[in-house]
Formats: sequence, C-alpha cells, structure tokens
Amino acid sequence: AQSVTQPDIHITVSEGASLELRCNYSYGATPYLFWYVQSPGQGLQLLLKYFSGDTLVQGIKGFEAEFKRSQSSFNLRKPSVHWSDAAEYFCAVGDRQTGGFKTIFGAGTRLFVKA
Amino acid sequence: DTEVTQTPKHLVMGMTNKKSLKCEQHMGHRAMYWYKQKAKKPPELMFVYSYEKLSINESVPSRFSPECPNSSLLNLHLHALQPEDSALYLCASSQDGQSLYGYTFGSGTRLTVV
Repeated sequence: AQSVTQPDIHITVSEGASLELRCNYSYGATPYLFWYVQSPGQGLQLLLKYFSGDTLVQGIKGFEAEFKRSQSSFNLRKPSVHWSDAAEYFCAVGDRQTGGFKTIFGAGTRLFVKA
Repeated sequence: DTEVTQTPKHLVMGMTNKKSLKCEQHMGHRAMYWYKQKAKKPPELMFVYSYEKLSINESVPSRFSPECPNSSLLNLHLHALQPEDSALYLCASSQDGQSLYGYTFGSGTRLTVV
C-alpha cells in the first residue's frame, strides 16, 4: 500500500533560519506528491505539488520541494523562515485506486519558530 | 471564487440529535471530499464524490450519510453519533476525480458530540 512518512514530529527553527522538512514515500510508480500547511483550527492549504517534469518545484509563500526518486523523498525547504510559518505541515501522496483517486497524508510535522 | 465554504464552523450535538454539515464551492470542481481530523492527527478520508456520484466510501459507519445534491454542494448528515466522533470535519474539492492538481480545503466544522 502507498504510504508517506514524515520522520520529524516537530521541528523548532529560529526566525530567519533555513528550514527543511523531510518526507519519504512508498509508491510503485511515479508518485503524485503534495505538501500542505495547516494553521491551528484551520483547513489545509496546498503549498506545492509534483507529478512530472522538473524535480525542483516552487510553491507559494517562498517554499520549494525537491523530488528525489533514488531516495524516495520529497523534502520541503524554505531559505528564511518567518514567524507566520509556524504551523503543521503535511506531506501527501496521491493514490489511484479502484473507484477513484485519493490522497494519503503523512502524520505531519509541527513547525515552531522562535524569535 | 477560490474558496470552499463550510457551515457551521462549530457544532455541538447530543447523541440522539440529527444534524447536517454543509460544504459549498463555486470553482467548477467536479470532485468533492469529506475528511475527518482528530487532534494532532492527519486528515482521514471518509468519502469521495466524483461528478456527483459517490466513488469512495472508506468503510464509514452508517451514522454518517453523505449527499451531493449538485456539483457545487456536499452535505454530511449526522445521526446518533458517539462522543468519539468529535473531530474537525473538513471538506475539500479538486478539479476532477484525479486530483492531480491537489485539493482546496474548507476551514472545517468543529464537531463536539456530548
């Protein structure tokens, strides 16, 4: 079965420092990969997506992610973190199944930003 | 309009009540989804509607009953819920049932069952 692993439950970075959130996936074919962000009590917002083409993907809010097939990874990066980036981040993989297509989410990584 | 609107934002209901959650989008998306999210957990898929037809039901108990009256509306009817059903219920939509472009989520309904 397809799965997504986010090894870090939480990460703390200083404001202005760089950020990398890790994501590993298990999928037989070329995966459809996504990163979402969720602020407390809110819905999820799509940051970026990958399903083909350039392996370095640019997203909203200054985020980018790099697809590495050899490592089964899709890590999220940001060069300089702002206090407003504190939130929960979910990596997800699209899974084509009988009857439809669904998105499987990783457990999430909580980002704390310190001044 | 690039939003998914969910109402109500908060709902408290007793175990014998019947209530409904509503979700609306006007982006022309043809797939809509219900997710359940417990605290500090990822969203869990409940139902998928593709072109107004139920395409995926993740073995959800019958006390949850989805309905898709048209391509813009998605309802979730609730009846005889249990306290463990308390959660954030998220609605999402995508351009089509393939969801290659990702989902647009609503801000959710915070449900408390007492």
